[in-house]
Amino acid sequence: AQKVTQAQTEISVVEKEDVTLDCVYETRDTTYYLFWYKQPPSGELVFLIRRNSFDEQNEISGRYSWNFQKSTSSFNFTITASQVVDSAVYFCALSEHQGAQKLVFGQGTRLTINP
Amino acid sequence: EAQVTQNPRYLITVTGKKLTVTCSQNMNHEYMSWYRQDPGLGLRQIYYSMNVEVTDKGDVPEGYKVSRKEKRNFPLILESPSPNQTSLYFCASSLLVWASGRTGELFFGEGSRLTVL
Repeated sequence: AQKVTQAQTEISVVEKEDVTLDCVYETRDTTYYLFWYKQPPSGELVFLIRRNSFDEQNEISGRYSWNFQKSTSSFNFTITASQVVDSAVYFCALSEHQGAQKLVFGQGTRLTINP
Repeated sequence: EAQVTQNPRYLITVTGKKLTVTCSQNMNHEYMSWYRQDPGLGLRQIYYSMNVEVTDKGDVPEGYKVSRKEKRNFPLILESPSPNQTSLYFCASSLLVWASGRTGELFFGEGSRLTVL
């Protein structure tokens, strides 16, 4: 069965520090998809990135970067030069079957950026 | 504007009083799903629907019902709510993978915070 583990329940850093959110997943499928979602204090879920299992290239989007490593079943998320607006709960999620659409979420990491 | 709309956004009710949380999407998505979010547990799937009149259980379906009579609507029904159903509920929709050619990015509603006393 698929499983996503975000071992860091809460992280607190000072603004401008770099911070990495860890995500470890379990799946038996060779084809799967990984996601990160952001949930700001307002409560909505904001899609950040989707990565398929065949694409191990790391991705960078502004201050955000993602490190996908199949060898360690990890899909970590780094925020460079963090800002107060980055404060949110971040969820990593896994979708296993191409036709199933189901997302299995990790427990979430609450990130607090202090001024 | 493409969106998933849930109502009500906030609700306080009492044990046993039937309630319905509505969900509507305007993107012509086949797939719709309900999740509940609880502290320390992330989001867990309650029910999902692959198309009109096609629904199936997710990981935590007990105490919930759904229906999919129209493509755009997927209401969540709590026939006899109990305090352990106090939670934040999200409706989501997406295109089916085989229709879109890639795994469907889920579009989420804004959430419905339900308190059962």
